[in-house]
Amino acid sequence: DAKTTQPPSMDCAEGRAANLPCNHSTISGNEYVYWYRQIHSQGPQYIIHGLKNNETNEMASLIITEDRKSSTLILPHATLRDTAVYYCIGAGGTSYGKLTFGQGTILTVHP
Amino acid sequence: DAGITQSPRHKVTETGTPVTLRCHQTENHRYMYWYRQDPGHGLRLIHYSYGVKDTDKGEVSDGYSVSRSKTEDFLLTLESATSSQTSVYFCAISDSTYEQYFGPGTRLTVT
Repeated sequence: DAKTTQPPSMDCAEGRAANLPCNHSTISGNEYVYWYRQIHSQGPQYIIHGLKNNETNEMASLIITEDRKSSTLILPHATLRDTAVYYCIGAGGTSYGKLTFGQGTILTVHP
Repeated sequence: DAGITQSPRHKVTETGTPVTLRCHQTENHRYMYWYRQDPGHGLRLIHYSYGVKDTDKGEVSDGYSVSRSKTEDFLLTLESATSSQTSVYFCAISDSTYEQYFGPGTRLTVT
């Protein structure tokens, strides 16, 4: 699975867009980019994933660069409830879904 | 939320005693996973299952065994608990491997 690099922490004002970057320069052609988040003391929550096209769902948007070496998770209107640790994970192939969680980015949304 | 429960939610046990944690799902998902989460290490995969009676080791499987005799239940057993196994344990389920849904976690303390 690809190694990913994320900033350790970020801040965002409530109501503004939160843009969380992730570098995954070693990602291989069949690996997807997955994003999860973990709100304090809860189990991780799946957010979104993509291969090379931009993706959007009810929670967030995922922008993947054309060379696939980096991506950005966008929370369009952050709320206090979005305060969490966000994990970017490169995964794919036939490894039965073994996710490798790094340290992630602690996003703090301020009033 | 995905129909996944873990029991017990909290447990305190003594070193050397056997402990079994249960993960139960109502989603009929094929894949099930056990992770542990410790400060400074993030989430690490212990064991996973890709079908009834089909299991395999993850990253940190030493000291743990698993069983899956039916689709809905995945048991994690610590044959002889040690203090190093004090952790928060999360179960996850998936029908598409990398899009996983996590349970609420079990906090285990080994004294």
